[in-house]
Amino acid sequence: SQTIHQWPATLVQPVGSPLSLECTVEGTSNPNLYWYRQAAGRGLQLLFYSVGIGQISSEVPQNLSASRPQDRQFILSSKKLLLSDSGFYLCAWSTGTSDTGELFFGEGSRLTVL
Amino acid sequence: GQNIDQPTEMTATEGAIVQINCTYQTSGFNGLFWYQQHAGEAPTFLSYNVLDGLEEKGRFSSFLSRSKGYSYLLLKELQMKDSASYLCAGMDSNYQLIWGAGTKLIIKP
Repeated sequence: SQTIHQWPATLVQPVGSPLSLECTVEGTSNPNLYWYRQAAGRGLQLLFYSVGIGQISSEVPQNLSASRPQDRQFILSSKKLLLSDSGFYLCAWSTGTSDTGELFFGEGSRLTVL
Repeated sequence: GQNIDQPTEMTATEGAIVQINCTYQTSGFNGLFWYQQHAGEAPTFLSYNVLDGLEEKGRFSSFLSRSKGYSYLLLKELQMKDSASYLCAGMDSNYQLIWGAGTKLIIKP
């Protein structure tokens, strides 16, 4: 069966510090991978998605970046965090076929920037 | 522009029925999703509608009217564990999901 795991689950970082969130998927090959951010009272905001190794599409211009060094690994990074980067970050995957588009989410990472 | 509208919060009684409405505007349409999200956890898939009508899955049903840009999620025989946020999401012509802010459902004994 397929599983998705992201870490760390919780982190508190000072403004201006770097960030690295990691996500791995097991049990499937060539998944579509996504990074979302969820702010309180707002819908899920798509940050990045990837259809293959080294292929990253950015949906929102900001100080975040994403990389996909391996087929089932997706990393979200920042060189300098802003207060506005606080939120609940979710990694997700879907199959390459687009007929249903069902997303499977990781456990989430809650980031607080102070 | 693309937009998903759903109520912010609803309250219902254990054992009762509740209907959560969602209206959508997307550039093209490739289906409507409902996800459940318990506090502090990741969303989990509930239903997918791409054709008009009602899809029933146990205590949960989802309805779609494409001509009206409207969907609802119907929860029957409510249980305390159904207390959660319910997220509506429309899929546009590029197969990207447009998410609503979610409806927080509070179940009272």
